[in-house]
Amino acid sequence: DTGVSQNPRHKITKRGQNVTFRCDPISEHNRLYWYRQTLGQGPEFLTYFQNEAQLEKSRLLSDRFSAERPKGSFSTLEIQRTEQGDSAMYLCASSPNRRNTGELFFGEGSRLTVL
Amino acid sequence: AQTVTQSQPEMSVQEAETVTLSCTYDTSESDYYLFWYKQPPSRQMILVIRQEAYKQQNATENRFSVNFQKAAKSFSLKISDSQLGDAAMYFCAYRGSQGNLIFGKGTKLSVKP
Repeated sequence: DTGVSQNPRHKITKRGQNVTFRCDPISEHNRLYWYRQTLGQGPEFLTYFQNEAQLEKSRLLSDRFSAERPKGSFSTLEIQRTEQGDSAMYLCASSPNRRNTGELFFGEGSRLTVL
Repeated sequence: AQTVTQSQPEMSVQEAETVTLSCTYDTSESDYYLFWYKQPPSRQMILVIRQEAYKQQNATENRFSVNFQKAAKSFSLKISDSQLGDAAMYFCAYRGSQGNLIFGKGTKLSVKP
């Protein structure tokens, strides 16, 4: 297993378009997290799943954002009608469960640029 | 709500010297984890060191150690014998009952040869 995988690594889009990012977690991990990171800032929590259930969503996750994890394996994060303020790095992370080691394992991120 | 504060936006250290990065946090929980993550430029975030709140002993991983002061809600990272490869953004993070990680804003560490 090579770790958390995210695709695409880079996405440039025009304002108003929809974009979708995919995350493949480490295979035995049942928790999956999405974070957003803007330049010079720490990652901000967006949402997380335990298996296929979306357990928590941040207030940062507006109605234009939707995340799914239909079979409890990979997850997608879709942003509709993108705005320039959506430009950021979108990080995915996974963990075995909350009380195992506590550690989250991160992917390399998907960088979104909205023109 | 829990918060994590890193008061040093940037730090610099001479190669082979020691540097300490500061972190404070706020929580009403008694059971939680604290982490330091390293994010090299354009590369993924990796775990440097982890501390369980119920453990009084400070965690150590090779050249990296922490000073965990639970009562003061302080969690600093000490890097000994600094190397050029240590140059990166360092994030302090908290994980409690809510399950997700809460990050500070980070400290950019530069290592001078």
